[in-house]
Amino acid sequence: NAGVTQTPKFRVLKTGQSMTLLCAQDMNHEYMYWYRQDPGMGLRLIHYSVGEGTTAKGEVPDGYNVSRLKKQNFLLGLESAAPSQTSVYFCASSLRVVGDDTQYFGPGTRLTVL
Amino acid sequence: DAKTTQPTSMDCAEGRAANLPCNHSTISGNEYVYWYRQIHSQGPQYIIHGLKNNETNEMASLIITEDRKSSTLILPHATLRDTAVYYCIVRVVTRGNSQGGKLIFGQGTELSVKP
Repeated sequence: NAGVTQTPKFRVLKTGQSMTLLCAQDMNHEYMYWYRQDPGMGLRLIHYSVGEGTTAKGEVPDGYNVSRLKKQNFLLGLESAAPSQTSVYFCASSLRVVGDDTQYFGPGTRLTVL
Repeated sequence: DAKTTQPTSMDCAEGRAANLPCNHSTISGNEYVYWYRQIHSQGPQYIIHGLKNNETNEMASLIITEDRKSSTLILPHATLRDTAVYYCIVRVVTRGNSQGGKLIFGQGTELSVKP
């Protein structure tokens, strides 16, 4: 049981390049989330998904797109990377039943945009 | 979700109990108290959560005051590997996508376990 995995672990991009971050979970969770964490700050929600085929915006969605074609995968795309998107990206998943919304996090992807 | 207040930093001797306080004086009746921690450069890790009763699992114990305005996370025998930032989060847990399930991480408490 791998839990939540993220690919890649590190990436360096040039301004204007595009890339996709992959998140996978093997816990059959319905809910999946993408957060970013900047130095000295807490996590901020980018996008989330409440089930296969559905996505929604979080608090900082600009410059990102997401897709949830399969229940176990949640993709985060950067169409035209900017230096302001240099950050550590964390994916999380949860079952979200009444009384329990424990989110399980992946190890993170460290992205640098030059 | 209600706001929480935690000390910025704490020290604890290895092998001793670490008691991390959290104030959530504006908590409402249907809000749960969650604790997560983040070890440097790693993803946040769930520790424990509770509504009004004290809770215990293999990692820690959670003591919630009777008026629910504050709580304490207890690591019974702290080790060097418990050095991390600990976050106390208060949230409503319902079925559905209200608020998108966003976890609001404040500044947390930086716990240093020393030999």
